[in-house]
Formats: sequence, structure tokens, C-alpha cells
Amino acid sequence: NAGVMQNPRHLVRRRGQEARLRCSPMKGHSHVYWYRQLPEEGLKFMVYLQKENIIDESGMPKERFSAEFPKEGPSILRIQQVVRGDSAAYFCASSPGPLGGAFFGQGTRLTVV
Amino acid sequence: DAKTTQPNSMESNEEEPVHLPCNHSTISGTDYIHWYRQLPSQGPEYVIHGLTSNVNNRMASLAIAEDRKSSTLILHRATLRDAAVYYCILRDTRTYKYIFGTGTRLKVLA
Repeated sequence: NAGVMQNPRHLVRRRGQEARLRCSPMKGHSHVYWYRQLPEEGLKFMVYLQKENIIDESGMPKERFSAEFPKEGPSILRIQQVVRGDSAAYFCASSPGPLGGAFFGQGTRLTVV
Repeated sequence: DAKTTQPNSMESNEEEPVHLPCNHSTISGTDYIHWYRQLPSQGPEYVIHGLTSNVNNRMASLAIAEDRKSSTLILHRATLRDAAVYYCILRDTRTYKYIFGTGTRLKVLA
């Protein structure tokens, strides 16, 4: 059973471009979480989704950031018009339900130049 | 969201037990206690979780105080591969999200 797959692992974008980060949850998992981690800091919650629904987006910046988890396909975290401050590691986690442990992917390291 | 307090760093000798403490005095009755660890340049790895009773698995043991205001992650025999940042997290069963603190950086000495 493959773990949580995130791609790309590394992404470089110029200021003003769009960044699309993909997360394929573990098989059978319908709950997805996105986190951001700045260098030498802890993980900050961004958004919690179930299939086709956003459950909690209290950690998402109000502008430029969006997330989706369609019925088919991976979850997508989209950052429009990236700025240097968006440079960070973005981690996705999945779980089969709201309780129990969640499993994290290896992250996407976004660098904005 | 309830908060956790952990020491910034700890050291342990290889093959000795390690007790990583966590205080969570504002824990509510619906909060589960989760532990994750993060190795350099990797995603967090699930270690263990519990609600009220002590828990054991192949990685570690979790000892939960009777009043649930604190807990201890126990690594029975530390290895060099256990060097990581360990996060104690309270997971609210109403909101289901994990709120990470700054964690404890564990250094294992050979």
C-alpha cells in the first residue's frame, strides 16, 4: 500500500506565477490535510478536506490560496501569484476517517525566486 | 485549540530509554493525544496516540496521566535513527485538525 504521494517534491516558481501542489492520499483515505512549514519552524495547519468538501480552511490565507479534493484524482493546493514569502515546505496528510492517526507525505518544497 | 508544552531539546545515549514529556493542562475531554516525529527533510511520521489509557505499539509507549494534563512518550531503546523532532499534539475530535507546537528535538549520542 503506497503511502501519501506528493508531487512535485521540489518546485521553483518566479514571483507572480502559479504553483500547483498535488497530493494523492493513501488508498481508502478520504480525509486530507495540508500544512505549511517554514525553515526551522513547526507545521502550520492550512486546510482540512474530505472528498469534494472543504471542512476547515481556517489556516488558509484569504487571498491567492485555494484547495480542492475532487471526487476523482488528487487533492490540489493552488497558490496564485506567488511571492517570496510563500517559499516553504508544504505537507499533505491523509486519514481514513476523522479519528485515528494521519499519514504524511514527503512534502513539496516550494522556492519562489 | 488546546496547547501543548514540550522541552525544546533533549539528549539520550544510544540503547537507553528516553522519556519525552508533554504538558497539556487545558486538554478537553474530546481531545486525543497524538505523537509524531519529523526527521530532517522528511514529513512527520505517526508514532502513537491515545485518549485516556496507556498505549503501546512497536515504536513506542504512551503514558497518560490520570488527570490527562500531561503525557510521556517512551522510546524503550533509543537508536541513532530516533534522532528527530518529536511533536505532542492534541487533536480535537470536533474539528479533527492537528495543531503542531515547536516540539522536542531529540539528540541521540552514540
